[in-house]
Amino acid sequence: DQQVKQNSPSLSVQEGRISILNCDYTNSMFDYFLWYKKYPAEGPTFLISISSIKDKNEDGRFTVFLNKSAKHLSLHIVPSQPGDSAVYFCAASETSSYKLIFGSGTRLLVRP
Amino acid sequence: GAGVSQSPSNKVTEKGKDVELRCDPISGHTALYWYRQSLGQGLEFLIYFQGNSAPDKSGLPSDRFSAERTGGSVSTLTIQRTQQEDSAVYLCASSPEPFYEQYFGPGTRLTVT
Repeated sequence: DQQVKQNSPSLSVQEGRISILNCDYTNSMFDYFLWYKKYPAEGPTFLISISSIKDKNEDGRFTVFLNKSAKHLSLHIVPSQPGDSAVYFCAASETSSYKLIFGSGTRLLVRP
Repeated sequence: GAGVSQSPSNKVTEKGKDVELRCDPISGHTALYWYRQSLGQGLEFLIYFQGNSAPDKSGLPSDRFSAERTGGSVSTLTIQRTQQEDSAVYLCASSPEPFYEQYFGPGTRLTVT
């Protein structure tokens, strides 16, 4: 049973436009959410996170939105750049545990 | 500074053989995690070490899997009597303390033939 779901396996956007990556979760005990970015042959790198006490966190071109009632979060990248092309993983955790539960990832392609 | 390193980067083994995968965490990081990523799947938690505390082994898929962390630094993940379904990329991560923002190594791609 997947507790964290990324239903779009891939997304293609034009350079300069907004990229929106979505993630849904089922476990209401999750209270911390993260996005990781992964290039081929490399390990995932931390991008941005949000605690359940917030509904938005922004870091430069990256913004994460959390809708607790819908158990949904999204990552917005504005403006998108070709270097953003990678696989993006959503992850979630409970305060009592530091193990991350990952979604299956969304492959983003930013076209020049 | 040096990041998390893992060896080997690739390992091909025959079904039934044992394999050992190694992880060198970032110096000074007390928490160490193992995950695996099967083809087309997300990362699956395997095991978590924190200092001298008993490890959280709740993610190990079977008793063929074991891991240890010697001296609070290097960790080895051992898979005994490998099966084809063990084929995956095994990722190690560390953090300065138990925390969600974990630093990942490049992974070991294991192929069981």
